[in-house]
Amino acid sequence: AQTVTQSQPEMSVQEAETVTLSCTYDTSESDYYLFWYKQPPSRQMILVIRQEAYKQQNATENRFSVNFQKAAKSFSLKISDSQLGDAAMYFCAFANSGNTPLVFGKGTRLSVIA
Amino acid sequence: DAGVTQSPTHLIKTRGQQVTLRCSPKSGHDTVSWYQQALGQGPQFIFQYYEEEERQRGNFPDRFSGHQFPNYSSELNVNALLLGDSALYLCASSLLNRLAGQNEQFFGPGTRLTVL
Repeated sequence: AQTVTQSQPEMSVQEAETVTLSCTYDTSESDYYLFWYKQPPSRQMILVIRQEAYKQQNATENRFSVNFQKAAKSFSLKISDSQLGDAAMYFCAFANSGNTPLVFGKGTRLSVIA
Repeated sequence: DAGVTQSPTHLIKTRGQQVTLRCSPKSGHDTVSWYQQALGQGPQFIFQYYEEEERQRGNFPDRFSGHQFPNYSSELNVNALLLGDSALYLCASSLLNRLAGQNEQFFGPGTRLTVL
């Protein structure tokens, strides 16, 4: 069974600074998908960024980028120019191909300090 | 275009009771997945419905059951409620892609269930 581990229960960052959230996963599959979701206090889970394992290029979405290390089974999220609205729980998630369910980590609570 | 909606927002039940939670998928989506998120934890997959049938199931007891209607909306039923069933229940919709790949799952705001 696949597992996702987020080793940082809480992180904080100064506004306008950069922060990196860590995620490792375990799988025997070679083709899979990785995601970072944001869950603000409103509870709605929002997709931040996704990465297909077969793509060597790291995904980027505006201020959000990932460092995908397939051999190390590591998938970290970098948030640049942090904003107050980035404060939320961040979940790393894994899915096999073929519309299989998401497997989530326990999350990292990010605080942004003004 | 309405996103995923869930009802009710909050619910309080007592042990032993039964509960039904409802989900309407995003327009154009045909697949609904349900997740349970306990306090301080990541969501855990309960089951997924497609074409009105349970397509996949996570490690949850038979007390958890579901249904999908012809309009793709879905219900989650939990019987004989336990204190440990207290959680946020999230519904996610997607468009099944039979050509492999992974389509994005869009989440609803969840239903907060408290069992006393």
